[in-house]
Amino acid sequence: KQEVTQIPAALSVPEGENLVLNCSFTDSAIYNLQWFRQDPGKGLTSLLLIQSSQREQTSGRLNASLDKSSGRSTLYIAASQPGDSATYLCAVTTGANSKLTFGKGITLSVRP
Amino acid sequence: NAGVTQTPKFRILKIGQSMTLQCAQDMNHNYMYWYRQDPGMGLKLIYYSVGAGITDKGEVPNGYNVSRSTTEDFPLRLELAAPSQTSVYFCASSSSGGTGELFFGEGSRLTVL
Repeated sequence: KQEVTQIPAALSVPEGENLVLNCSFTDSAIYNLQWFRQDPGKGLTSLLLIQSSQREQTSGRLNASLDKSSGRSTLYIAASQPGDSATYLCAVTTGANSKLTFGKGITLSVRP
Repeated sequence: NAGVTQTPKFRILKIGQSMTLQCAQDMNHNYMYWYRQDPGMGLKLIYYSVGAGITDKGEVPNGYNVSRSTTEDFPLRLELAAPSQTSVYFCASSSSGGTGELFFGEGSRLTVL
């Protein structure tokens, strides 16, 4: 059974800091990995989608990497801003019916 | 752009009542999903559908039912509501299942008293 772990559960950093959010998964036979952002009381918004054949994806100040063999992904946020404060979840797609397994998320707070 | 629309946004039910959470998407996606999110527990898959007329159970299907008569709609039915079903429910859709980006609705917050 696929398990996805995100540690720590919460993180607080000062504005302007570059930071890395980690995600690990137990079954390396994945189709893809997605990073999502969730604001309080809202749904999830997809930030980056990395296919199993890719090593990384970039969007603006965000860069996500994928190392399937080690079961790890990182989300790099450059020059963090208070507006980046949210919960960040990673999810992997595995199995015959392509179901997603989510981590519990990392709640990020960027202090002005 | 409507995307994935869920109704209602909030609902309070009494134990034993039944209700349907509505989900509609206007992106012509074949794959649709229902998740529940509980504090500190992440998202759990309840049911999913790979196309009209085809549904299957996810990780936590007990106490729920779904139907998929059209590509656009994927309602989730709660029969005999229990306090354990207090949660935030999210509907999501994707164009290509395992390889596609997942789009979420805003969620439906359900409380069972």
